[in-house]
Amino acid sequence: LAKTTQPISMDSYEGQEVNITCSHNNIATNDYITWYQQFPSQGPRFIIQGYKTKVTNEVASLFIPADRKSSTLSLPRVSLSDTAVYYCLVGETGGFKTIFGAGTRLFVKA
Amino acid sequence: DADVTQTPRNRITKTGKRIMLECSQTKGHDRMYWYRQDPGLGLQLIYYSFDVKDINKGEISDGYSVSRQAQAKFSLSLESAIPNQTALYFCATSDGRLTYNEQFFGPGTRLTVL
Repeated sequence: LAKTTQPISMDSYEGQEVNITCSHNNIATNDYITWYQQFPSQGPRFIIQGYKTKVTNEVASLFIPADRKSSTLSLPRVSLSDTAVYYCLVGETGGFKTIFGAGTRLFVKA
Repeated sequence: DADVTQTPRNRITKTGKRIMLECSQTKGHDRMYWYRQDPGLGLQLIYYSFDVKDINKGEISDGYSVSRQAQAKFSLSLESAIPNQTALYFCATSDGRLTYNEQFFGPGTRLTVL
């Protein structure tokens, strides 16, 4: 299983773009990169998933370089409600053995 | 109505007691999972099930057992609860037919073992 490394915490201000980078040097050919968001005392919520290049949805963008050894979750114009923990997961799309690390705690300030 | 429900939402019990946490889903998914989360940490996979007859151990299955009573129901049991099993427990589901995997989580059960 590919191990992921991401910053423990990040601070931002409302209206700014936030980029959270995740390292996954041992990513396998069949692995996808998935990001989840978790608010306190709630279950994680799927944000975005990708394999290579760029993926965008209504919530975020995911940038994956050609070597796929890292990925960056980009949150445009964050608000206070984006304060949460963000998890980067790497694994086959079956997902049953994906590992949730400690995640990145994002604090958005007014 | 929530697609993934967990009961109870909160439970306080004593060391040595048998506890069952229940999970039900209306999403029609074949795959179900149980995770635990300790304060300030990520989620650890306890057990997962691909269908009613397929149950597998996760990272931290010792001290836990599960039962997949039907496609929609997946129960987690602590045969003899101990204090270090105090944690937040999440059930999740996913559709194994899809290449694009997404897990849907329940609201969690907060378990305290005294």
